[in-house]
Amino acid sequence: KAGVTQTPRYLIKTRGQQVTLSCSPISGHRSVSWYQQTPGQGLQFLFEYFSETQRNKGNFPGRFSGRQFSNSRSEMNVSTLELGDSALYLCASSLTGLATNEKLFFGSGTQLSVL
Amino acid sequence: AQSVTQLDSQVPVFEEAPVELRCNYSSSVSVYLFWYVQYPNQGLQLLLKYLSGSTLVKGINGFEAEFNKSQTSFHLRKPSVHISDTAEYFCAVSEHLRAGSYQLTFGKGTKLSVIP
Repeated sequence: KAGVTQTPRYLIKTRGQQVTLSCSPISGHRSVSWYQQTPGQGLQFLFEYFSETQRNKGNFPGRFSGRQFSNSRSEMNVSTLELGDSALYLCASSLTGLATNEKLFFGSGTQLSVL
Repeated sequence: AQSVTQLDSQVPVFEEAPVELRCNYSSSVSVYLFWYVQYPNQGLQLLLKYLSGSTLVKGINGFEAEFNKSQTSFHLRKPSVHISDTAEYFCAVSEHLRAGSYQLTFGKGTKLSVIP
């Protein structure tokens, strides 16, 4: 079974630009959640999608948004990039999602650098 | 809001020695506790979780953790570490706030370095 796939692996953008990251979950998984990892703040929950609906959202500004498609693939978008958005963005998939406390399967992440 | 504190940002330990990675959380309501491991250039993998029942939880790779409700702690232990255990370890807490709403909070991580 293929694991969680995140593309691209690395991204370099400049301030003010926008970026879209992609996450393909394990086949059959309907939940995709997103996380931001930085050396200073550690891992922070961004949001979770389940069956194309956002189920929960972390404490991030509206510049961070996402969506999920009918095949469960998810995209995360960050608009008007700021230097502080430089981070490793991880996604995780699971069958039934965070509400059931089941095991999350993480991708290797997208490393975003904002210059 | 829930907070998760991993008291040590870095822990060096000699190979075959025991190790304990500490985790404390703030909430006193029902919580669910997890430990994840992140190897270099990889995503996170679940080591173990506590949902209910026995307070001593055994996970993969010889790790175990003990849930202590009175001290709001969930420390991770291994009696004898290997070089391959060198990684970053994250404690996480899931708190169900109300119907359909929950908060998943991670600690800032502890980097375990195993010295040959």
